Amino acid sequence: DSGVTQTPKHLITATGQRVTLRCSPRSGDLSVYWYQQSLDQGLQFLIQYYNGEERAKGNILERFSAQQFPDLHSELNLSSLELGDSALYFCASSPSTGGSSGANVLTFGAGSRLTVL
Amino acid sequence: GQNIDQPTEMTATEGAIVQINCTYQTSGFNGLFWYQQHAGEAPTFLSYNVLDGLEEKGRFSSFLSRSKGYSYLLLKELQMKDSASYLCAVFSGNTPLVFGKGTRLSVIA
Repeated sequence: DSGVTQTPKHLITATGQRVTLRCSPRSGDLSVYWYQQSLDQGLQFLIQYYNGEERAKGNILERFSAQQFPDLHSELNLSSLELGDSALYFCASSPSTGGSSGANVLTFGAGSRLTVL
Repeated sequence: GQNIDQPTEMTATEGAIVQINCTYQTSGFNGLFWYQQHAGEAPTFLSYNVLDGLEEKGRFSSFLSRSKGYSYLLLKELQMKDSASYLCAVFSGNTPLVFGKGTRLSVIA
């Protein structure tokens, strides 16, 4: 157990629908990151929050949004789902905002597998 | 932008040594990480390099040459459980970790 909790583990839904993925970071970590992993794309960075504020944005579609709450848990909302959104969605957490410190290792949750039919 | 290249697949024999290479092109390099990922599971941290040279951690070692934009992960005394994908990832500037597509290692008897 990495200490990063993601729910749900599996989710099957239809095109056009909306889903919410939830992440609780490791105790003491202030940063939360969302990554998408498709079969042919590897891990793609979506968005980062630090202590409730958006810190960095990657290849996140406009149909997707996220937030980090005062208790530091985060939610990733995916709407108007398409077949191509089927993927593993990982949440990771780290103590601070990033940078060169080896102490700021990203710890990943077990992921949420989304299947869009 | 950033570009990270790794071989897609490698095969090695149980008990042997294997070297997985990673080359990267980035501006403002801050550090390089290696992660291990078993199929369908979370990536787990293996090693971190920010200065040139070799970092050793048990059966795993990682090397970095910043001038060449090159790193490798060395796995010794291979075990069947080492069959996994190995992900090279780079920190540059203040952007979050950018991952390569990973190298899928198969360990055979």
